[in-house]
Amino acid sequence: AQTVTQSQPEMSVQEAETVTLSCTYDTSESDYYLFWYKQPPSRQMILVIRQEAYKQQNATENRFSVNFQKAAKSFSLKISDSQLGDAAMYFCAYRSAPGGGTSYGKLTFGQGTILTVHP
Amino acid sequence: GAVVSQHPSWVICKSGTSVKIECRSLDFQATTMFWYRQFPKQSLMLMATSNEGSKATYEQGVEKDKFLINHASLTLSTLTVTSAHPEDSSFYICSARGGHAEAFFGQGTRLTVV
Repeated sequence: AQTVTQSQPEMSVQEAETVTLSCTYDTSESDYYLFWYKQPPSRQMILVIRQEAYKQQNATENRFSVNFQKAAKSFSLKISDSQLGDAAMYFCAYRSAPGGGTSYGKLTFGQGTILTVHP
Repeated sequence: GAVVSQHPSWVICKSGTSVKIECRSLDFQATTMFWYRQFPKQSLMLMATSNEGSKATYEQGVEKDKFLINHASLTLSTLTVTSAHPEDSSFYICSARGGHAEAFFGQGTRLTVV
């Protein structure tokens, strides 16, 4: 079974600064997807960024980028130019690649990191 | 992205009663739906996976007789918490997957059992 670990229960950052959230995972699969989700106080899960394991290039979405180290099974999220609206709980998640049968789409989540942004 | 609507957003029920939560895919056919449970400031824990027209697959430790899941159509799955007790109070979230790679989340339901 796959596991996802987020070792930072809480992080804080000053507005306009950069912060990095850590995530490690364990799997025996060679092909999979990794995600970062944001959960604001509304509790709606919002997809921030996605990385396919077979792609060596790190994914980027505007101010959000990842550092994907497949051999080390590490997947960190960097938020640049932090904004007050970035304050939320962030979850790292793992999903098997297509071909995983009827459970394809099932996500395994890390424990979450609460991010506070100070003005 | 595709839209998943979950209803109700919050519900309060008396201990011993049952409550039903609906999860609808509004603009795609959801072949698979997932039900998660989340306690305050904790992670999402998968409860069960349901595929349209077949029985749900429950995760270890989840009581299938207590959490009844029905996925009778390609756009609707329901979670019924039977004989609810205060310890069932939690935040329940569904997600739905169709032909695309992503699974999309509903808004969640806050259940309080008094």
